[in-house]
Amino acid sequence: GENVEQHPSTLSVQEGDSAVIKCTYSDSASNYFPWYKQELGKGPQLIIDIRSNVGEKKDQRIAVTLNKTAKHFSLHITETQPEDSAVYFCAARNYGGSQGNLIFGKGTKLSVKP
Amino acid sequence: NAGVTQTPKFQVLKTGQSMTLQCAQDMNHEYMSWYRQDPGMGLRLIHYSVGAGITDQGEVPNGYNVSRSTTEDFPLRLLSAAPSQTSVYFCASTPQGGNTEAFFGQGTRLTVV
Repeated sequence: GENVEQHPSTLSVQEGDSAVIKCTYSDSASNYFPWYKQELGKGPQLIIDIRSNVGEKKDQRIAVTLNKTAKHFSLHITETQPEDSAVYFCAARNYGGSQGNLIFGKGTKLSVKP
Repeated sequence: NAGVTQTPKFQVLKTGQSMTLQCAQDMNHEYMSWYRQDPGMGLRLIHYSVGAGITDQGEVPNGYNVSRSTTEDFPLRLLSAAPSQTSVYFCASTPQGGNTEAFFGQGTRLTVV
């Protein structure tokens, strides 16, 4: 089955700096890669996703890149703000086969210092 | 617009007790799932359902049962609670087809003593 590795587990940056979180996946058939943000006491919420036919996607200060050959994808947050502090999860899903479930990485706790 | 609603938000159980965690969605999504979240472990899939009357096991199904009699509801049953089931439980729903965002509930924090 699919296995998703996420690094780093904790990340501390100064406000205004960039933050990068990296994930690798094992199943080459996976074709959907979302990123979720979880604030304290809340459920995860989708912030950006990318499908396997696209190499990069950007939404304001957030971007995701995908390298299908190397089976890794990354989240980039530019001009970080204190409200970006949260736990971020990457995930992978294989659509089209019998297993259409989201498999998550173990999460990255991002702290943005004012 | 309620989205995915989980009840209760907090629960304390004694070892051996049983209980049901409720999950309801009002978005007419076909796919629903249950995850547990433990420190340093991320979100692990317990059970999922691709539609009413259809359920299947995920990564960590032992000690849990599910049923899906309607599109809206997907309860998770703990048969005989154990301290190892202390966790935060999340229910999620996803529409079938091309729109693949999963919508999560607010979670249920369960403590088994």
